Parts: sequence; C-alpha cells; structure tokens
Amino acid sequence: DTAVSQTPKYLVTQMGNDKSIKCEQNLGHDTMYWYKQDSKKFLKIMFSYNNKELIINETVPNRFSPKSPDKAHLNLHINSLELGDSAVYFCASTQWRDRGSHTQYFGPGTRLTVL
Amino acid sequence: AQSVTQLDSHVSVSEGTPVLLRCNYSSSYSPSLFWYVQHPNKGLQLLLKYTSAATLVKGINGFEAEFKKSETSFHLTKPSAHMSDAAEYFCVVSGATNKLIFGTGTLLAVQP
Repeated sequence: DTAVSQTPKYLVTQMGNDKSIKCEQNLGHDTMYWYKQDSKKFLKIMFSYNNKELIINETVPNRFSPKSPDKAHLNLHINSLELGDSAVYFCASTQWRDRGSHTQYFGPGTRLTVL
Repeated sequence: AQSVTQLDSHVSVSEGTPVLLRCNYSSSYSPSLFWYVQHPNKGLQLLLKYTSAATLVKGINGFEAEFKKSETSFHLTKPSAHMSDAAEYFCVVSGATNKLIFGTGTLLAVQP
C-alpha cells in the first residue's frame, strides 16, 4: 500500500544508453513531479504534470522526456545517458487544490549510476 | 525570486539535548515554508509546514518551527534529540509557478 512508488530502485548503466524510470501514486493526486538530487544532496525540480499536462519544465536537457499516461503515473525517459546524469531521481505527487500548501508526497527515489 | 539558506551543513548533538537547525528565507511575497527530512537511503518526508496561519508550527516526531518575518527565519527545533533523528533536513520555500525550492540541507548527527 505504498503511496508513491518508483521502479527501479537502483539503475546502473553505460554512457550512451537509453533508460526509463517509472513512478506511480495511489493517493488519487492529479499533480506529479520529478526531482533530481545530485551527489551533494541538492534537490531541484525537473518537471511537473497536472492532469497529464506539462506545467513545469525547468532547464533540463531535451534528452529527458517525461510522459504521463494517466494521472497516477509519471515516467521519465532519458536518452543518451551521460556521466553527469548520475543522481537520485525522486518522484512526488500532490493534489492541485493543495498546491498552495505544497504538501508533496515523495517516492523512495531511484539511484541512477552512469558508468 | 524565492530562496532558502540553511546556515549549517552539519550539526552534531548528543542524545537528549536540544536540536536547532537554522534556515533563512528570501521571498518577495508571503511564503509557504516547509521542513522535510530524509533518512539514509530513503525518500523525503514532510516534517511540518507554514502557510500564513500560526507562526509556531508543530510537526511530527516532536519537531517545531517558528516563522519570524522580521528575521526572515524559519528555524527547526526539538527539545530532546533521539538517535532516530539522525538524518538530512531540508528547509523548503514555495516559489513562483508553485514549485518547491530546496535548501542545501543540514546533516544532523546524534551522538549517544
């Protein structure tokens, strides 16, 4: 009965490969996010979707492409992986009406290592 | 633009002693402020939030924070540290376009 789940938990891959990370929430929320946490633990938002529509798109290389097939899922596809993509990626969700208070619920994270 | 500054990257306390994690914010309007905790190899958990109601906010696990507009501060405190409090703590402000802006984190160590 995990609220926000991510798969896989760990991902080790070679430079140049293409990989996907999946996120699912069972909280009935309509807004989902992807954050990147670098090696210094700094967290920064990448994307946000509300009702399957992209509403936040930070300055992220276009090798990163989010996809939201429905309100409960937000996947992140990364093309041509680079060493600098190594990080922990967190998914989060909230209900749009609560966005002013921003209680976002976070997944456990996916640790991506690019060799 | 909104931002937060966590004044200490590392804080070490003894079990049973008070905890103080400092955070200053910058915001062009009345902000929403949060503290999140991240235990080792875990996701982020909301400790507490301030959204222009009471300036003293109580959170989970005995933590609380006080919003001080005159000092632009939102420090996190706990009267008595427990070993299980050892974790990374993030001060967060809500920015324009409704996105969260994280501080750089404070690693809390609790000594037995």
